[in-house]
Amino acid sequence: AQSVTQLGSHVSVSEGALVLLRCNYSSSVPPYLFWYVQYPNQGLQLLLKYTSAATLVKGINGFEAEFKKSETSFHLTKPSAHMSDAAEYFCAVTYTGGFKTIFGAGTRLFVKA
Amino acid sequence: KAGVTQTPRYLIKTRGQQVTLSCSPISGHRSVSWYQQTPGQGLQFLFEYFSETQRNKGNFPGRFSGRQFSNSRSEMNVSTLELGDSALYLCASSSSGTANTGELFFGEGSRLTVL
Repeated sequence: AQSVTQLGSHVSVSEGALVLLRCNYSSSVPPYLFWYVQYPNQGLQLLLKYTSAATLVKGINGFEAEFKKSETSFHLTKPSAHMSDAAEYFCAVTYTGGFKTIFGAGTRLFVKA
Repeated sequence: KAGVTQTPRYLIKTRGQQVTLSCSPISGHRSVSWYQQTPGQGLQFLFEYFSETQRNKGNFPGRFSGRQFSNSRSEMNVSTLELGDSALYLCASSSSGTANTGELFFGEGSRLTVL
């Protein structure tokens, strides 16, 4: 069965500091992996996705993630946090023929001035 | 291009009532998925439809049902509402048809409060 684990329900960083949000997945078949962001009172929007091309994926707003098959991880990073990055971030996995996307529990990012 | 539209945005019901939520996907998208989002459980998959066929269903009781119309619009219904059904219900559409491995485009959700 496919599953997603996000380590840390809350992460706090200072403005300008590195952002690292952790995601590990479990999948018996090649996965497709995603990071979504949700701002208050809104739906989710895609940050980036991995679909078996390059293992380092660049997304919007300066975020990127690296697919590491040996570690079954897909951690999200951003070199320098901005106040506008404060939101909840979800890692997600799907696979061919699954017809559903499974989401992690989410990590709320706080950015301190 | 218009995004995913969900109606109503907010609604309040009492226990035992039923509710119908509507979702209009992005034009051309034939796959529609529904999720329940609560603070304690995160995003829980309800069901996915493609060309009026339900292709997958999550672990929810039979009180939760859905359907998709020929124009890809979708509705979900919850009967005999319980307090625990209070949640944000999110609809998402996708353009990747048979494989359904693509990006999901989400609506802003319908926030249901059950009193």
